[in-house]
Amino acid sequence: EIVLTQSPATLSLSPGERATLSCRASQSVSSYVAWYQQKPGQAPRLLIYDASKRATGIPARFSGSGSGTDFTLSISSLEPEDSALYYCQQRNNWRVTFGGGTKVQI
Amino acid sequence: QITLKESGPTLVKPTQTLTLTCTFSGFSLTTSGVGVGWIRQPPGKPLEWLALIYWDDDKRYSPSLKTRVTITRDTSKNQVVLRMTDMDPVDTATYFCAHRDRPGDPFDIWGQGTMVTVSS
Repeated sequence: EIVLTQSPATLSLSPGERATLSCRASQSVSSYVAWYQQKPGQAPRLLIYDASKRATGIPARFSGSGSGTDFTLSISSLEPEDSALYYCQQRNNWRVTFGGGTKVQI
Repeated sequence: QITLKESGPTLVKPTQTLTLTCTFSGFSLTTSGVGVGWIRQPPGKPLEWLALIYWDDDKRYSPSLKTRVTITRDTSKNQVVLRMTDMDPVDTATYFCAHRDRPGDPFDIWGQGTMVTVSS
């Protein structure tokens, strides 16, 4: 099973700052990584897929990069509403796994 | 517009079987490539994928739960059903169903989730 390790566990930043979230896979997943945002009491929302493609309606301040085993989600200028949990997910094979999440506090 | 909604019991006893239904609209589970998955999230913990079913009735299960989980579909009712046997308090979680356009695609649309508590 491919394990996804997210870091840091918590990120505390101020509005307007840049956030950089990491997701590391235990083996290569090519570019098959997605990122989700989850706010308390809500379902996850798809932000990024295939490592760097923004989902429909996602603001341009969200961007993704990486391939192989190391992936990054960047939020260029934090807004208060970006406070949330962020999860990465791989789909390199038919088994789906999620990372442990990074909490972004603003 | 694609929507999904989970339904089922909010409380089950240990050793019982949980049956959850995902009722969806805005797409057909007979359209080539389309799939519906189940994902759960224990309180304060990360997401965990459980099962997937595709347009051709192909089914995939999490290896850690495959002996306890069954996923089925009713295309006439636009529903996907998850059954999980031998429930335990550690199975207490919010259970989500979600849509994917093609095998390997991310889950682009999610249901609101349904909280299930396992307790005697």
